[in-house]
Amino acid sequence: SQQGEEDPQALSIQEGENATMNCSYKTSINNLQWYRQNSGRGLVHLILIRSNEREKHSGRLRVTLDTSKKSSSLLITASRAADTASYFCAPRQGETSYDKVIFGPGTSLSVIP
Amino acid sequence: NAGVTQTPKFQVLKTGQSMTLQCAQDMNHEYMSWYRQDPGMGLRLIHYSVGAGITDQGEVPNGYNVSRSTTEDFPLRLLSAAPSQTSVYFCASSYKASPLHFGNGTRLTVT
Repeated sequence: SQQGEEDPQALSIQEGENATMNCSYKTSINNLQWYRQNSGRGLVHLILIRSNEREKHSGRLRVTLDTSKKSSSLLITASRAADTASYFCAPRQGETSYDKVIFGPGTSLSVIP
Repeated sequence: NAGVTQTPKFQVLKTGQSMTLQCAQDMNHEYMSWYRQDPGMGLRLIHYSVGAGITDQGEVPNGYNVSRSTTEDFPLRLLSAAPSQTSVYFCASSYKASPLHFGNGTRLTVT
């Protein structure tokens, strides 16, 4: 198992701006997952990028993965107040096995209307 | 599909009391886990299971017990509650390295 470390820990932007957050990890992975947590709720999966992919899009979300640098970034374009939440990454090692999932501190995003 | 169901939603305990937080999933996921989240903090892994009859410790297992007698259920037991266990508890499940599905949490206060 391994833990992702999100950076920055807090980010405050104006509505309409883009938000970028980063994730670093230590060992090789099978895929990396990004999650969002609205205040007090359970985490919700946003997007998964596999180790053989470099970029993936889903709506206003763009995720990149650089396995040589062991890092990923999540870009939210044209942010909205509803994007205010905490964001977490989860590097996953196994495809056919199970690895315990340990989360980092997350990035707390505030989008100001 | 109900997904991951946690009960109760809220609970208040006195110090020293015991209780069981319930977690059930209907997706036939082999991996299940429990996290706690203190105010303003990230999630910390308490215990996890990779199948019926198999459990293991996470980052903060002390004060908590788990068992996994069926694929569907993964209860978390507090044997003697302490104020330090006041937190929000989340259960999550997944199939191998697929994304985790989370429950809505149990908010526990220990006085």
